[in-house]
Amino acid sequence: AQTVTQSQPEMSVQEAETVTLSCTYDTSESDYYLFWYKQPPSRQMILVIRQEAYKQQNATENRFSVNFQKAAKSFSLKISDSQLGDAAMYFCAYRTQGGSEKLVFGKGTKLTVNP
Amino acid sequence: EAQVTQNPRYLITVTGKKLTVTCSQNMNHEYMSWYRQDPGLGLRQIYYSMNVEVTDKGDVPEGYKVSRKEKRNFPLILESPSPNQTSLYFCASSLSSGYGYTFGSGTRLTVV
Repeated sequence: AQTVTQSQPEMSVQEAETVTLSCTYDTSESDYYLFWYKQPPSRQMILVIRQEAYKQQNATENRFSVNFQKAAKSFSLKISDSQLGDAAMYFCAYRTQGGSEKLVFGKGTKLTVNP
Repeated sequence: EAQVTQNPRYLITVTGKKLTVTCSQNMNHEYMSWYRQDPGLGLRQIYYSMNVEVTDKGDVPEGYKVSRKEKRNFPLILESPSPNQTSLYFCASSLSSGYGYTFGSGTRLTVV
């Protein structure tokens, strides 16, 4: 079964600085999809970024980018120019292929942004 | 606006009183799924559906039922709620395999 591990329960960053959130996963599949979700205090789950495992190029969405290392099964999220509104729980997720097509989530990293 | 709509957002009920949490999406998505989020346990899939009339159990289906009579709707039914079903529930939908899921705003359920 696939597992997702986020080793940093909490992180903090100064406004306008850069922060990197770590995620590792375990799978025997060769083709899969990875995601980062943001959950602010409003509790809404918001899709931040998506990575296709067969693509070498790292995904980027504005200030958010990933460092995808397939061989190491690592999928970190970099947030540049951090803003107060980035404060939230961040979840790394793996989408299983076939069957339930479920998202397997890590336990999350709570990000605090200091003014 | 493309969205997944869940209702209600908050619900307090008593043990054994049947309830339904509604979920509707306006994006013509094939995949729909229910998750529950609990402290220390994270998000876990309850039930999922790949299309109309096609549903199956996820990781924690006990005590729940679902139906998918129309593509847009995927209600979650608790026939006889118990306190261990107190949780934050999310409905989510996805276009097809490999895409990200769009989540509803969540339903905070308390069973006393």
